Amino acid sequence: SQQGEEDPQALSIQEGENATMNCSYKTSINNLQWYRQNSGRGLVHLILIRSNEREKHSGRLRVTLDTSKKSSSLLITASRAADTASYFCATEAARQLTFGSGTQLTVLP
Amino acid sequence: NAGVMQNPRHLVRRRGQEARLRCSPMKGHSHVYWYRQLPEEGLKFMVYLQKENIIDESGMPKERFSAEFPKEGPSILRIQQVVRGDSAAYFCASSPPYGGPTTDTQYFGPGTRLTVL
Repeated sequence: SQQGEEDPQALSIQEGENATMNCSYKTSINNLQWYRQNSGRGLVHLILIRSNEREKHSGRLRVTLDTSKKSSSLLITASRAADTASYFCATEAARQLTFGSGTQLTVLP
Repeated sequence: NAGVMQNPRHLVRRRGQEARLRCSPMKGHSHVYWYRQLPEEGLKFMVYLQKENIIDESGMPKERFSAEFPKEGPSILRIQQVVRGDSAAYFCASSPPYGGPTTDTQYFGPGTRLTVL
């Protein structure tokens, strides 16, 4: 599998529920970033977590990073229909981002 | 402060023609990156440039593709003699100079969707 592999590939939940997406990677990283992409649009930067950090919060987002397991998770709490999008993790090394294939999140009203 | 701008948003070319994609980074940003996204896939790194310099082009196909970021004006991704397999969304990102708190964050433009007929 490639660097920055997301799991699950697709997730469908009801509005108000929490959504958890996971990301695994293979090589050493400087940081890991999560992005959101609405259909047919550009990427919106959500959050960056550095390799020496374990957890980070931003609004309804919570990101964890476990460098020993080479994995990260993105938790979106109290989801809204507007959160429907594809979510990508990207690992950064030498200014180069390596993206996974994404998790398609659908939040049903 | 305008975000990263890309134009055109959509580009249609016939096989064998040239495609030129333009990217204007955010104000104050001196680093530009180009990524390609095939349908249903994540983005793949192509090239990293600073003003007048190519820093890392390890993701660029060896033939037909070139990129520049001149002292004045936007960054250009140029694809010569396009083929159907070049059809994709091409995204540009920019980041600030080294040393700031957001140095590592790349801000993406809306992309150019290239269709090769």
